Amino acid sequence: TQLLEQSPQFLSIQEGENLTVYCNSSSVFSSLQWYRQEPGEGPVLLVTVVTGGEVKKLKRLTFQFGDARKDSSLHITAAQPGDTGLYLCAGGHSYGNNRLAFGKGNQVVVIP
Amino acid sequence: ETGVTQTPRHLVMGMTNKKSLKCEQHLGHNAMYWYKQSAKKPLELMFVYSLEERVENNSVPSRFSPECPNSSHLFLHLHTLQPEDSALYLCASSQDFEGGPAEKLFFGSGTQLSVL
Repeated sequence: TQLLEQSPQFLSIQEGENLTVYCNSSSVFSSLQWYRQEPGEGPVLLVTVVTGGEVKKLKRLTFQFGDARKDSSLHITAAQPGDTGLYLCAGGHSYGNNRLAFGKGNQVVVIP
Repeated sequence: ETGVTQTPRHLVMGMTNKKSLKCEQHLGHNAMYWYKQSAKKPLELMFVYSLEERVENNSVPSRFSPECPNSSHLFLHLHTLQPEDSALYLCASSQDFEGGPAEKLFFGSGTQLSVL
């Protein structure tokens, strides 16, 4: 099982600040997904990246897949309290099944 | 609303009890999953069903018994659990299990299980 390490594990910031969290692995993935999980709920898919170097934007969230497809970052601009949650990255492979490897998550708290 | 509904939301049970978790998906998906989420651990895949057939069983103890009567419903039957089994149990579905590298998982809200 490939290990996905997410850092920092916990991050608390003030509303309006920017933040970046990271997802790193020694393994190459065909795709990488980011989910956000709010308290008491299941994870919700935010984005999937599949090409090395790919950048995707979702409103104030910017996702990047590393050139070597081993790592990814999530940058939030002008964080809002609604961005609070556990951000999970999950790596997948192209050999035919949907068996994803998840990281432990980045817990983000945005203080109003 | 993700289209995946789990019941109950919370469950407290003793080690000698027998209980079942239920999951229903309204998305027309062909694959359904059970995951275990414990504090400070990555999501652990427990079971996968594809077209109602079990295709993955990740060395899960026999005190957890899945059942998939049709493509829309998934159960997890629990008996003689241990306190370390306390966790959030998440059900998920995807269009297919062998559809390629970027299949999207749709999760339910989970059942928070406490074993006393």
